[in-house]
Amino acid sequence: DAKTTQPPSMDCAEGRAANLPCNHSTISGNEYVYWYRQIHSQGPQYIIHGLKNNETNEMASLIITEDRKSSTLILPHATLRDTAVYYCIVRNTNAGKSTFGDGTTLTVKP
Amino acid sequence: DTGVSQNPRHKITKRGQNVTFRCDPISEHNRLYWYRQTLGQGPEFLTYFQNEAQLEKSRLLSDRFSAERPKGSFSTLEIQRTEQGDSAMYLCASRERQGGGGIEKLFFGSGTQLSVL
Repeated sequence: DAKTTQPPSMDCAEGRAANLPCNHSTISGNEYVYWYRQIHSQGPQYIIHGLKNNETNEMASLIITEDRKSSTLILPHATLRDTAVYYCIVRNTNAGKSTFGDGTTLTVKP
Repeated sequence: DTGVSQNPRHKITKRGQNVTFRCDPISEHNRLYWYRQTLGQGPEFLTYFQNEAQLEKSRLLSDRFSAERPKGSFSTLEIQRTEQGDSAMYLCASRERQGGGGIEKLFFGSGTQLSVL
């Protein structure tokens, strides 16, 4: 699976959009981008995934660059409850496992 | 859908003792994963099952660790002769049967926090 690079931490003001970047410059054609988040003392929670088109669901939007070498997770109106560690994962469709890095700790401030 | 259930939530043991954790996945999820997480790090893959077959094991899974998934339902992770370095959160996740496309959407439990004294 391709390696991902994320900033270790970010801050965001409550009510503002949180834009979390992820670099995956070695991604290959059959690898999807997934995002999970982990709130303190809980297991990770799936947020969204995409291949090459932008995706949106009730939790977030995922923007993938045209060359697929990077992506951005957007939380449009961050709340205090969005404070968590966010993980970007790139996974081959045939892989047996998902490999997590150390993620980005997002702190939403009032 | 009751989610992935893990028991116990916390386990304190003395070095050298054996411990066993249980994971009950979401019903009819055919894949089950075990991960380990230490403070400040992301989850590290340990092993996974497809139904009752254990398909992959990480090099992190030393011979003191064993996992089973009898009948393809719940799973247990046993650690023998625990060491202080085994102290971590042990997470279980399950994934529903997938059709074409190979999309991997994991559902995690809340984990078992192991402390080895």
